[in-house]
Amino acid sequence: NAGVTQTPKFRVLKTGQSMTLLCAQDMNHEYMYWYRQDPGMGLRLIHYSVGEGTTAKGEVPDGYNVSRLKKQNFLLGLESAAPSQTSVYFCASSGQRGYGYTFGSGTRLTVV
Amino acid sequence: DQQVKQNSPSLSVQEGRISILNCDYTNSMFDYFLWYKKYPAEGPTFLISISSIKDKNEDGRFTVFLNKSAKHLSLHIVPSQPGDSAVYFCAASGWNNNDMRFGAGTRLTVKP
Repeated sequence: NAGVTQTPKFRVLKTGQSMTLLCAQDMNHEYMYWYRQDPGMGLRLIHYSVGEGTTAKGEVPDGYNVSRLKKQNFLLGLESAAPSQTSVYFCASSGQRGYGYTFGSGTRLTVV
Repeated sequence: DQQVKQNSPSLSVQEGRISILNCDYTNSMFDYFLWYKKYPAEGPTFLISISSIKDKNEDGRFTVFLNKSAKHLSLHIVPSQPGDSAVYFCAASGWNNNDMRFGAGTRLTVKP
């Protein structure tokens, strides 16, 4: 049972480049989330989804877009990367609202 | 605004002693509280939770206490072990939203 898988694990982007982070879960969870972790800031919610075909904004959505075309996948896109988006990105899923999330192992993104 | 606050960035305790990690929240709509543990290069893992209808929840060496009037919760680890050394995140969610808010984390070091 893989749980939540994030790809890639590491990436270096140049300012202005675009990329997509992929999150896949095999637990048939309805809820999926993208967080970013920055020193001293904890985990901040970027976007989330409460089911296939739905997305919603979190605390820090600017500069990011998401899609949930399939229940098991949640994609996070950066259209034009900025150095402020240098962070560790975590995807999580949950079977019920508010219950303990299952997190992926993270993607470390550096924008230069 | 940071609705969940962990004011101690770090804590160091001796093996066998008690570790007490603290968390404060500002949103009175939160009704479910969780603690996550995070090792380096891994995603956070769910540790223990408590509903707002309770004031204590225990799971082995881990106990979470909730003081709703003070909007404060704490995690007690007794006895502390070197393997408990990690970053601990406090999190909260409310009945009226679909996401979870996290604190900045406390780095616990348990010395042998």
